[in-house]
Amino acid sequence: ETGVTQTPRHLVMGMTNKKSLKCEQHLGHNAMYWYKQSAKKPLELMFVYNFKEQTENNSVPSRFSPECPNSSHLFLHLHTLQPEDSALYLCASSQDGTSGRLYEQYFGPGTRLTVT
Amino acid sequence: DAKTTQPPSMDCAEGRAANLPCNHSTISGNEYVYWYRQIHSQGPQYIIHGLKNNETNEMASLIITEDRKSSTLILPHATLRDTAVYYCIAASNNAGNMLTFGGGTRLMVKP
Repeated sequence: ETGVTQTPRHLVMGMTNKKSLKCEQHLGHNAMYWYKQSAKKPLELMFVYNFKEQTENNSVPSRFSPECPNSSHLFLHLHTLQPEDSALYLCASSQDGTSGRLYEQYFGPGTRLTVT
Repeated sequence: DAKTTQPPSMDCAEGRAANLPCNHSTISGNEYVYWYRQIHSQGPQYIIHGLKNNETNEMASLIITEDRKSSTLILPHATLRDTAVYYCIAASNNAGNMLTFGGGTRLMVKP
């Protein structure tokens, strides 16, 4: 148990569906992240939020839309996805950059997404 | 961030020390060395990090060479539950939040 929860754990969706992934952290952190892990590929950073403000968008297609209403919650809204978007989507959190612990990231268990 | 190089896989006998090497020959003075691991079907787990000095915590020890061009993560008494992919990452605290994962080392602990 890392203090970062993700729901749902598994999701199957069609290419025309709209769905959302949810992440919640109970660690008092101020930075939150979305990562994508495809089969046989390294973990890819998608989005970064610091104090609810998006500070990184790693060239992610617009069919992925993040939302960070507060420092404890992070959403990833999905629409018109492609089969190649099937992957494990991981959420993480960390202290902000001023603490020197920016890279001590704590990950959730992930959402296994299948696009049909 | 500096590029890191790790062997793709290693085996270790249960109960023995697992020594996982990492090469980071282009590391700059303000870059830390971070280690994470990912057990199958789980999210990555932070293990330890260091700058110059050797570090130890309840999970592992990190030995960094004096020239900082390489490091070794030591799991003193490996168990079957330590079977995972281990990632070595070099990152500086003033380079934004970008934590770049490479291929890592797949450690197999065998009974």
